Amino acid sequence: GAVVSQHPSRVICKSGTSVKIECRSLDFQATTMFWYRQFPKQSLMLMATSNEGSKATYEQGVEKDKFLINHASLTLSTLTVTSAHPEDSSFYICSARASGMNTYEQYFGPGTRLTVT
Amino acid sequence: AQSVTQPDIHITVSEGASLELRCNYSYGATPYLFWYVQSPGQGLQLLLKYFSGDTLVQGIKGFEAEFKRSQSSFNLRKPSVHWSDAAEYFCAVGAGSNYQLIWGAGTKLIIKP
Repeated sequence: GAVVSQHPSRVICKSGTSVKIECRSLDFQATTMFWYRQFPKQSLMLMATSNEGSKATYEQGVEKDKFLINHASLTLSTLTVTSAHPEDSSFYICSARASGMNTYEQYFGPGTRLTVT
Repeated sequence: AQSVTQPDIHITVSEGASLELRCNYSYGATPYLFWYVQSPGQGLQLLLKYFSGDTLVQGIKGFEAEFKRSQSSFNLRKPSVHWSDAAEYFCAVGAGSNYQLIWGAGTKLIIKP
């Protein structure tokens, strides 16, 4: 149980275009989803926390107009990188926390490798 | 402020040898502690977690970790590593009202044949 999927796993886009990444909890409902960015050989950097039906809370230094997050249902959150540039190339990872659970445990998606050319 | 320190950026161990990866945390209350593993090109997988109770916790793949409050540590151990254990290991502590995780920098485990 507790499977999180991400789509696409890899995406290459041209500079100036927008890219949408989907994160789904397949067998549980997720009140809270998290979006991370991971640079090569580095740890995870939390970008934002989204609660279903609410606006996402962005970490300091993350541009909310550039990284649009929508958490429209208890099983789906999307991250849209708008007007992508080469410096946005990175590995993006989502995670989900199960509804009704008073724990910090997060279930992770496999990640999305974004390359902006 | 809450923080997690993994003092070893990488560790090299011979196959079959024992392993200990260090993790120290800074957190005011009772911590929720986690170890995750990330294999090359893979997502993060939970190895084990500690919330309360027995301070020695067993996880998957033969890993265990011991919570030591007096040392603010949650070190990960395995008695005999396998080549498939080569990966990046992350320690994390749960913090905040929004159930966020504070992450260590990670330790890369290299297995010598």
